[in-house]
Amino acid sequence: GDSVTQMEGPVTLSEEAFLTINCTYTATGYPSLFWYVQYPGEGLQLLLKATKADDKGSNKGFEATYRKETTSFHLEKGSVQVSDSAVYFCALSQGNLIFGKGTKLSVKP
Amino acid sequence: DAGVIQSPRHEVTEMGQEVTLRCKPISGHNSLFWYRQTMMRGLELLIYFNNNVPIDDSGMPEDRFSAKMPNASFSTLKIQPSEPRDSAVYFCASSLQGRDGYTFGSGTRLTVV
Repeated sequence: GDSVTQMEGPVTLSEEAFLTINCTYTATGYPSLFWYVQYPGEGLQLLLKATKADDKGSNKGFEATYRKETTSFHLEKGSVQVSDSAVYFCALSQGNLIFGKGTKLSVKP
Repeated sequence: DAGVIQSPRHEVTEMGQEVTLRCKPISGHNSLFWYRQTMMRGLELLIYFNNNVPIDDSGMPEDRFSAKMPNASFSTLKIQPSEPRDSAVYFCASSLQGRDGYTFGSGTRLTVV
């Protein structure tokens, strides 16, 4: 069945460092891909999305490109802030929404 | 729009009691999802509805769990009887076109003692 694999955390970075969180997927069709973010004690918020191959989703300085050839959707940010500390979930959708296990990011001042 | 509304935000109950969680999706959305989140198992899809009809309930852990969607603006997830291992955060989400994203509620934190 469809699945999402993302790098395990936690990931700890200093402020202004470059962030990459790897995500790969397995799907029989052509899913939409998403990154969600969960701040402590809160629900999940949609961070960005891409609906077809080579699409780039972007929001709040975060980017991810839908790579069909490598079945990947890696999340990147050029300069992280303390306020980016959260858990990040990669997900795919083909009717329902399937999540990876999440990656906890901690950004230190 | 007020977003997806879940109630209660917190629920503490004794083992064996019935628990009912409620969800109001975004008006106009035609798909509704119930998820459970725990440290050990992460986010698990329990069940989802399309146009008020249950499509996939394979994630419902056992017969103690049941979900209904009597109309487009309301859904319930019931656990009867509840057990300590049911303690988790339960999220509801809704979507109009699944490919465009899903909106999540703030969740219900359930503690069964």
